[in-house]
Amino acid sequence: DTEVTQTPKHLVMGMTNKKSLKCEQHMGHRAMYWYKQKAKKPPELMFVYSYEKLSINESVPSRFSPECPNSSLLNLHLHALQPEDSALYLCASSQVTGWEWEQYFGPGTRLTVT
Amino acid sequence: ELKVEQNPLFLSMQEGKNYTIYCNYSTTSDRLYWYRQDPGKSLESLFVLLSNGAVKQEGRLMASLDTKARLSTLHITAAVHDLSATYFCAGGGGSQGNLIFGKGTKLSVKP
Repeated sequence: DTEVTQTPKHLVMGMTNKKSLKCEQHMGHRAMYWYKQKAKKPPELMFVYSYEKLSINESVPSRFSPECPNSSLLNLHLHALQPEDSALYLCASSQVTGWEWEQYFGPGTRLTVT
Repeated sequence: ELKVEQNPLFLSMQEGKNYTIYCNYSTTSDRLYWYRQDPGKSLESLFVLLSNGAVKQEGRLMASLDTKARLSTLHITAAVHDLSATYFCAGGGGSQGNLIFGKGTKLSVKP
């Protein structure tokens, strides 16, 4: 099973809402990633978890709060977002951290902030 | 930090023609990845190039890596409409070893 799943597929939220994105993998990978991708741009790394610990936070605003409850699950909690946060949010996983390990991407969550 | 540059950024091709997408990177990256992305969809892994001189082929796509020239190419042979998508190359070497993506090449294959 080389699948990374993400829910929901689409999310529309107001600027005062609180919502969460969920990502799951059952490949035994110990590294998980959140990327943000704006239209016609490459993915931008947001967070990296290694063995359930946050190892990289690419200066992401605090209105994005990641959580890794266990080795298979990664959440991204959203609060007080801005319209410019509308984007495709991609989750990925790899065996361990490091660019030597191929990353497997989930289908993404299309987020619209109104 | 690694910088990855792709060109062209836009490519309009006729079916049946051949073309090459180039991916230059600025510092050592012994591994290079190519991904395909259809509109509104996620990234699909195409090739992982592991070493200098590596060449991989899948259907009408062939990727190669020259680590001395810091160059990877994605060659398209006899293009068909189904190849229309955005193609990204990515290398290692971010501040903590994470992937750095090129800007992507939007390929449009027309009859």
